[in-house]
Amino acid sequence: GAVVSQHPSRVICKSGTSVKIECRSLDFQATTMFWYRQFPKQSLMLMATSNEGSKATYEQGVEKDKFLINHASLTLSTLTVTSAHPEDSSFYICSASDGLAGGLSDTQYFGPGTRLTVL
Amino acid sequence: AQSVTQPDIHITVSEGASLELRCNYSYGATPYLFWYVQSPGQGLQLLLKYFSGDTLVQGIKGFEAEFKRSQSSFNLRKPSVHWSDAAEYFCALAFSGGYNKLIFGAGTRLAVHP
Repeated sequence: GAVVSQHPSRVICKSGTSVKIECRSLDFQATTMFWYRQFPKQSLMLMATSNEGSKATYEQGVEKDKFLINHASLTLSTLTVTSAHPEDSSFYICSASDGLAGGLSDTQYFGPGTRLTVL
Repeated sequence: AQSVTQPDIHITVSEGASLELRCNYSYGATPYLFWYVQSPGQGLQLLLKYFSGDTLVQGIKGFEAEFKRSQSSFNLRKPSVHWSDAAEYFCALAFSGGYNKLIFGAGTRLAVHP
């Protein structure tokens, strides 16, 4: 159980275009979803947190207008990178929490990641 | 402020040898700690977690971790490493920042020699 999928796994786009990445919880309802960015050989940096039906909460330094997050249902969150530039190239990983344990003991289940390359 | 430190960036062990990956944390309240493993180009898989109770936690794939409050540590161990254990290992701390968030250590890359 607790499987999270991401689509696409890899995407290459031209500079100036927008790219949408989907994150789905396949066998549980995710009250909260998280989006991370990971640079090569580095750790994960939290970009934003989203609850179903609410606006996302962005971390300091993350541009809200560039990284649009929509958490439309309890099983789907999307990250849209708008007007992508080469510096947006990265590995984007989502995670989902079912909130059943409550509080800090909630476990985050991670998707396999999406490799974005902007030419 | 909360933080997680993994002092070892890269560790190499021989297959069959024992393994210990270090993790230190800084947090003013009761820590909720996790170890995740990431294979190349993949997402993160949860190995184990500590919330309370027994300070020795058993996880998947033969891993265990011991929570030591006096040392602010949560080291990951495995008695006998397999070649398939080569991966990146992340220690993480859960803290409340509006929503419950995870802060990750920098990671330790494990290489296994045959």
